[in-house]
Amino acid sequence: DTGVSQDPRHKITKRGQNVTFRCDPISEHNRLYWYRQTLGQGPEFLTYFQNEAQLEKSRLLSDRFSAERPKGSFSTLEIQRTEQGDSAMYLCASSHRVAGMNTDTQYFGPGTRLTVL
Amino acid sequence: AQSVTQPDIHITVSEGASLELRCNYSYGATPYLFWYVQSPGQGLQLLLKYFSGDTLVQGIKGFEAEFKRSQSSFNLRKPSVHWSDAAEYFCAVGGAFQGAQKLVFGQGTRLTINP
Repeated sequence: DTGVSQDPRHKITKRGQNVTFRCDPISEHNRLYWYRQTLGQGPEFLTYFQNEAQLEKSRLLSDRFSAERPKGSFSTLEIQRTEQGDSAMYLCASSHRVAGMNTDTQYFGPGTRLTVL
Repeated sequence: AQSVTQPDIHITVSEGASLELRCNYSYGATPYLFWYVQSPGQGLQLLLKYFSGDTLVQGIKGFEAEFKRSQSSFNLRKPSVHWSDAAEYFCAVGGAFQGAQKLVFGQGTRLTINP
């Protein structure tokens, strides 16, 4: 396993610009999650996919945020018209769904730190 | 609502001393519990997890945690800390919350090690 990878690791942008982050999960993991972590806080759930289907979105995910997972492999998270409040670490995690379990073990990537000026 | 409380925001211990980080959860069904560690600017690394069975679970790097249902707790312990253990530690509860397969995290405990 090469682990979960995220790109870029850091992004600095100006308010109002659009940004896109990529996440490559552990191969053959069928679930992929996005979390947001602000300074001094624990990660907060944004959304998750099972294969290519987006199954849940948090209320934190405003209409400026969109996530995709085409073909059930890598995923992208796009933020349109960024605001200073979007500054945070965006974490991706992946897991393998185990039949009969309500949850499974999520493995996290290194994160993308976004700074909106 | 499901929640996790880590009462200690910051803990300082001396190298070689024992460690206990507290975690209390609120969840209406059988909880699945996790401890993750995060070094500055990095992602989260899984230390250990509890799904069922033995309530004392062993993890990596010499950590262990004990699930106590009566106290709604899942405290993390290590008998002797090393300087490399300095990091942020997060407790999380997992499960199908209202259809979402998500983790709910505590605020974290920052661990500082004195030489």
